Formats: sequence, structure tokens, C-alpha cells
Amino acid sequence: AQSVTQLGSHVSVSEGALVLLRCNYSSSVPPYLFWYVQYPNQGLQLLLKYTSAATLVKGINGFEAEFKKSETSFHLTKPSAHMSDAAEYFCAVSVGNEKLTFGTGTRLTIIP
Amino acid sequence: DAGITQSPRYKITETGRQVTLMCHQTWSHSYMFWYRQDLGHGLRLIYYSAAADITDKGEVPDGYVVSRSKTENFPLTLESATRSQTSVYFCASGGQRNQPQHFGDGTRLSIL
Repeated sequence: AQSVTQLGSHVSVSEGALVLLRCNYSSSVPPYLFWYVQYPNQGLQLLLKYTSAATLVKGINGFEAEFKKSETSFHLTKPSAHMSDAAEYFCAVSVGNEKLTFGTGTRLTIIP
Repeated sequence: DAGITQSPRYKITETGRQVTLMCHQTWSHSYMFWYRQDLGHGLRLIYYSAAADITDKGEVPDGYVVSRSKTENFPLTLESATRSQTSVYFCASGGQRNQPQHFGDGTRLSIL
């Protein structure tokens, strides 16, 4: 069975600083990986997805993630944090079917 | 506009009552999903449906019932609500394997 671990339930960064949100997965087959963002009182929106085409994936709002098979990781980064990036972020994995398994989420706080 | 809508957005009810959460999508996606979101657990799959009249259990199905008579609708029923079912419920839809899911804005359900 697949699983996702998000290290750090809360991350705080200063405005303009690098954002790094960590995601490690466990899967016995090649995974498809996703990052979603959730703003208060809203549903989840897709930030980006990895579907084996390229290991460095660019998403919306300046975010990107790199798939590292040797480290079973799919960390999310953004070079310069903006106040509007404050939200909860979820990593998810799919392993050849329609279901997603989600991590427990990381709440990102931006310090002015 | 195409999308996925959930109703109601907020609901307060009492233990033992039946409550139904509605979900409607306009993309004609084959797959629909119900999740619950709880602090520390991320999103957990309750039930999903591959097509009209085809449903299957997810990770936490106990106490819930679903139906899907039409492709666009996927209601979730709590037949006898319990306090442990207080949560935020999200409906999602998706069309194909390993593709991202699209989420509604959620229903915040409180059971007193």
C-alpha cells in the first residue's frame, strides 16, 4: 500500500524567503504525485503534478517540485515567499488507480 | 461554469439524526469521491464511485451511505449521526487514472 509523509505540520518563513515543504512517499510501483493547496474555507486546488514525464515539475503561483526516486521524495519549493502563499499544503500519491492517498498537510505561515 | 458544488456549506444537527450532503459536478467525470478532513489526519477517503450505480468503500466508510443514480450527483448520507462524524466533508471528481481530482468547497458538519 502507498503512503505519504509530510514532515512538519507547521512551517513559518519570512516574506521573500525560500519556501520548502517536505513530502516523502512510499510505493511499490512508480507513483504519480501531486501537491494541492487549501486556502481557508475552501477546497483543495491543484498546484502541480508529477506523472513521470519530467522530474522537475513547475506549477502555479511560482511553485515547483522535484521528484527524487532515490530519496522517495517530492518536496515543494518556491524561491521567494509571498503573503498570499499562507495556506495549508497537501502532498498526495496515486499508484495506478483513481484513488489518492493524502499526507496530513503542512500549514505554511508567512512572516511579514 | 463547469465545476463541482457541495451543499449545504454548513450544517448543524443532533446525534441520531439522518443528514445528507449533496455533491454535483458538471464535468461529466466518471469518478467521484467523498473525503473527510480532520486535524492531524489530512483527508481520508470515505466512499468513491467509478460510474453511475457503481460505488465502493474507502478508508473510513462506517456510518456512511452513498448512492449514484446519475453521473453528476453523488450524495453522502449519515443515517444516524454521531459526534465522531463532526468534520469537514469534501467531494471531488476525476476522470482518469492517475489524474488530479477536482474538489468542491466542502461542507462543515457539526453534530451536537
